[in-house]
Amino acid sequence: DAMVIQNPRYQVTQFGKPVTLSCSQTLNHNVMYWYQQKSSQAPKLLFHYYDKDFNNEADTPDNFQSRRPNTSFCFLDIRSPGLGDAAMYLCATSRTGGSQPQHFGDGTRLSIL
Amino acid sequence: QQPVQSPQAVILREGEDAVINCSSSKALYSVHWYRQKHGEAPVFLMILLKGGEQKGHEKISASFNEKKQQSSLYLTASQLSYSGTYFCGTANAGGTSYGKLTFGQGTILTVHP
Repeated sequence: DAMVIQNPRYQVTQFGKPVTLSCSQTLNHNVMYWYQQKSSQAPKLLFHYYDKDFNNEADTPDNFQSRRPNTSFCFLDIRSPGLGDAAMYLCATSRTGGSQPQHFGDGTRLSIL
Repeated sequence: QQPVQSPQAVILREGEDAVINCSSSKALYSVHWYRQKHGEAPVFLMILLKGGEQKGHEKISASFNEKKQQSSLYLTASQLSYSGTYFCGTANAGGTSYGKLTFGQGTILTVHP
C-alpha cells in the first residue's frame, strides 16, 4: 500500500547530540511537511517543501533543519537537541496543497536524556 | 493565527450526538478535519472548500459557513470508535502557502458504553 513511513518510531538521544529523523513516501506527492507535536497539544508546522521549494515557519528554531534530496524522502535534522525538543515529530504529504488532504506518517517520538 | 475550537472536551454515551466548532477571525481557503487517537497519527476525515458547503457520510458530516470563517463537525449516533482528539486545520485564503495548515487546539471526545 502507498503510504508515509517514518523511521525510527522511537528515538532517544543525548542533550546536545545531533539527531536525524527520516520520512519516506510512496504517494509521489509534491508537498511534504514536518510537524512537532507536544503532549496534549496540536501539531505545529515546522517547515514544508513543495518539490524542492523550501518554506520555513518564522518561529521554527534555527536548531531545526530539513533536507529533501528527492521526491520520496525528507529528513529532519536537530543539530543540538535540548530538553524542550522532546516531542512527537510527524511527517505528512499532500498532492498539491490546500485543497488536498494531508497523509500523516505514524510519527517519531523523540526523547532527550 | 490559530483557529479556536469549542468545546475543549465532550463526554458522550454511545448513540449520542456531538458538535465540534472551529472558528477563525479571517476568511479561510479551506478547513480540514482530522481525528487522532492517543499515540497515533492524525487521520484525515474531510475537507471543506466552499462557503455554505456541507459534506460527509452518514454519521460524520461537516459544514463551512457562507463567510468561510467557521466550520462545524457533526457526529451522530456516536460509537466507541469515535473517541479521540479532533483537530480542525485551516488554510488561509490568498498567498502561495501550498496548503500549510494551522491546527486548532483540539477537542477531546470520549464515548462511553
